[in-house]
Amino acid sequence: NAGVMQNPRHLVRRRGQEARLRCSPMKGHSHVYWYRQLPEEGLKFMVYLQKENIIDESGMPKERFSAEFPKEGPSILRIQQVVRGDSAAYFCASSARTDTQYFGPGTRLTVL
Amino acid sequence: GQSLEQPSEVTAVEGAIVQINCTYQTSGFYGLSWYQQHDGGAPTFLSYNALDGLEETGRFSSFLSRSDSYGYLLLQELQMKDSASYFCAPGRDDKIIFGKGTRLHILP
Repeated sequence: NAGVMQNPRHLVRRRGQEARLRCSPMKGHSHVYWYRQLPEEGLKFMVYLQKENIIDESGMPKERFSAEFPKEGPSILRIQQVVRGDSAAYFCASSARTDTQYFGPGTRLTVL
Repeated sequence: GQSLEQPSEVTAVEGAIVQINCTYQTSGFYGLSWYQQHDGGAPTFLSYNALDGLEETGRFSSFLSRSDSYGYLLLQELQMKDSASYFCAPGRDDKIIFGKGTRLHILP
């Protein structure tokens, strides 16, 4: 039973480009969460999605960031016009219910 | 309001026992999770307490007191591989809240 999968594992973008991060939840999980982590910091909640629905996006920056979890395919976190401050590790987690979350390996985004 | 407190760092000796405390304040609380994260790695689920009391999983145990808004993670027979950050994560409404975690240093 494959765990949560994220790709790419490492992503390098220049300022102004778009970053697209993908997350495939564990089989049977319909809840997906995205977190951002800066070095030496904790995990900051960004958004919670279920299939085709954004349940809670209270942690998402108001501009440039968007997320989706379509009926088919992985969840996508999209960052438009990236800036250096977007450099971080982005983790996706999935759960069958809103308690135990299982994390993917993360995507390390570096903005040059 | 909402708050989450755990020590930023703890140091212990290999083979010893260490307890990492956590106090939280949040509305809609439904349970307390603990996660481990090694440097450069992803958070890994360790344990979950929905009810008061002690949950034991091998060398790790977790405790919750809902009335005190308090919990702890107990690690026994410490091994060097236990050097990592440990996150106390209270669940509220539809999500889990993560703080900055406790960095555990193990001395040989």
